[in-house]
Amino acid sequence: DSGVTQTPKHLITATGQRVTLRCSPRSGDLSVYWYQQSLDQGLQFLIQYYNGEERAKGNILERFSAQQFPDLHSELNLSSLELGDSALYFCASGGWSGGPNSGANVLTFGAGSRLTVL
Amino acid sequence: DQQVKQNSPSLSVQEGRISILNCDYTNSMFDYFLWYKKYPAEGPTFLISISSIKDKNEDGRFTVFLNKSAKHLSLHIVPSQPGDSAVYFCAASAYDTDKLIFGTGTRLQVFP
Repeated sequence: DSGVTQTPKHLITATGQRVTLRCSPRSGDLSVYWYQQSLDQGLQFLIQYYNGEERAKGNILERFSAQQFPDLHSELNLSSLELGDSALYFCASGGWSGGPNSGANVLTFGAGSRLTVL
Repeated sequence: DQQVKQNSPSLSVQEGRISILNCDYTNSMFDYFLWYKKYPAEGPTFLISISSIKDKNEDGRFTVFLNKSAKHLSLHIVPSQPGDSAVYFCAASAYDTDKLIFGTGTRLQVFP
């Protein structure tokens, strides 16, 4: 158990629908990161939140949005789903807030949410 | 724009031998490099990291080598064990950001 909790583990839905993926970070971690892993692809960075504020944005579609709540859990909302959105969505947490000489930012990942869009 | 590349999708190694996994990068602003291991149905787990100011870091059976001039790093596993069979991801971060940029992964199979 990594300490990062993701729900649901599996989700099957239809095109055009909307889903919400939930993530609880490891205790003490302020940052939450969302990554997408499609078939045979690496982990694509979507978005990062730090203590409730958006910190960095990656290749996140406009149909996707995220937020981090005061209790630090985060939700990733995926709407108008398409077949190509079928993927593993990982949440990771970390406590390091950046800056030189701060050491490697080791992210701790959850087990992922597998989304299948039919 | 794939800033971190793992050109070998798979690698097969006999138990007891050395496994060498390779990674190339393009962004000279990267200051830390990390390796993660991923088993099926699990999230990636951190293995080892190296700072850009070093050329080698060792942790038990795992050693990471960094060649900055070639923008290349490698992970050596010696001796390889069947339990090492997993997908290995190379990742990098730049000094001005927290996020990690991942490669596409290399599937390692260690056979008896």
